[in-house]
Amino acid sequence: GQNIDQPTEMTATEGAIVQINCTYQTSGFNGLFWYQQHAGEAPTFLSYNVLDGLEEKGRFSSFLSRSKGYSYLLLKELQMKDSASYLCAVIIYSSASKIIFGSGTRLSIRP
Amino acid sequence: DAGVTQSPTHLIKTRGQQVTLRCSPKSGHDTVSWYQQALGQGPQFIFQYYEEEERQRGNFPDRFSGHQFPNYSSELNVNALLLGDSALYLCASSPPNGTSSYEQYFGPGTRLTVT
Repeated sequence: GQNIDQPTEMTATEGAIVQINCTYQTSGFNGLFWYQQHAGEAPTFLSYNVLDGLEEKGRFSSFLSRSKGYSYLLLKELQMKDSASYLCAVIIYSSASKIIFGSGTRLSIRP
Repeated sequence: DAGVTQSPTHLIKTRGQQVTLRCSPKSGHDTVSWYQQALGQGPQFIFQYYEEEERQRGNFPDRFSGHQFPNYSSELNVNALLLGDSALYLCASSPPNGTSSYEQYFGPGTRLTVT
């Protein structure tokens, strides 16, 4: 079966740093995504990791450990507009690529 | 360059009815995937279309069917609607294999309400 776990909700303070964790157990692995989704909107792509290590992109960084089935998304210098759901998703390559999503972490930023 | 577009934006149907949702992929993309997202949940993979054929399918009943046209646009059909089919339906397109094919770009979604 496929299982992706991430916390349901998190709260952080404007200007601070927050780390959102994701663990996965999937049959097949061809990379891990993080998406941001504001309420009522479509998910937007944040990052893609296929090799172990840290990928940094501005205020956002994503880390992957394939051996541990673990990833995290690190958000720095939090802004109020970062209040959103953050979706961890694993791409599974069988006969065709297929993405399995976690349930998402709802992040609330307080002033 | 238009991104992924979906129509309609919102739809209200009655139990037992049938619905067709439409998706036009991003320019240059040839693969279309459909997802169902219930409130407070992550998107659930329904199926993926490539070269006008269903290439991969998630755990959805046969009431959910689709089609891809020669211009790569796609339709999602749901028959015998149930209250539980109420959700946001997302379409995502991706480029041809070998060109960042892992990237999926999502459309704005169609909000389906079944009463």
